[in-house]
Amino acid sequence: QQQVKQSPQSLIVQKGGISIINCAYENTAFDYFPWYQQFPGKGPALLIAIRPDVSEKKEGRFTISFNKSAKQFSLHIMDSQPGDSATYFCAASMRWRNQGGKLIFGQGTELSVKP
Amino acid sequence: NAGVTQTPKFRILKIGQSMTLQCTQDMNHNYMYWYRQDPGMGLKLIYYSVGAGITDKGEVPNGYNVSRSTTEDFPLRLELAAPSQTSVYFCASSRGQGVFNEQFFGPGTRLTVL
Repeated sequence: QQQVKQSPQSLIVQKGGISIINCAYENTAFDYFPWYQQFPGKGPALLIAIRPDVSEKKEGRFTISFNKSAKQFSLHIMDSQPGDSATYFCAASMRWRNQGGKLIFGQGTELSVKP
Repeated sequence: NAGVTQTPKFRILKIGQSMTLQCTQDMNHNYMYWYRQDPGMGLKLIYYSVGAGITDKGEVPNGYNVSRSTTEDFPLRLELAAPSQTSVYFCASSRGQGVFNEQFFGPGTRLTVL
């Protein structure tokens, strides 16, 4: 119930294309869904996040789509650039439930954007 | 601000040896976390702390110990290293829960146990 499942494991996209990464969860108590971006040799960094009462959030070329009934959410990267090549992690948290702010991470997606 | 710093960057241990991974943050964050990252497995929480003197187990605590005597430092101790502990270890911190939930990660320590 605490798992977050992420797919695909790896993704190759041409420059200018759309990258889509999907995540699914079981625990309906999750109330916060962030995406983290990790470049090789670095720690993950927060990219964008969404609450379950919102169906979509957009920040620049990055959009989260959230489907509460299906318990799924996805990251869309529009006009993908070689600089977007990184590993992306979805995560879930019960940030208002005195759980220590713990994040449950998906397995990660290694994105490669070809010039 | 340096953010979250970790030392060492790399380490090779022999089976049965012990070591401490250091983590320091200068953001006055109350919450701190230790994760391990293995290929295709994402990040798994080892231990976390919500303040000095308070620690709790995460998903994969076996073989590790932590302490939190100050707000700034959260060391992770491996007592009897095993090959299964070969991984990249990340320390993270956050201000707290709710809207302060964003976690800031250090650069990681790559540990190999032979």
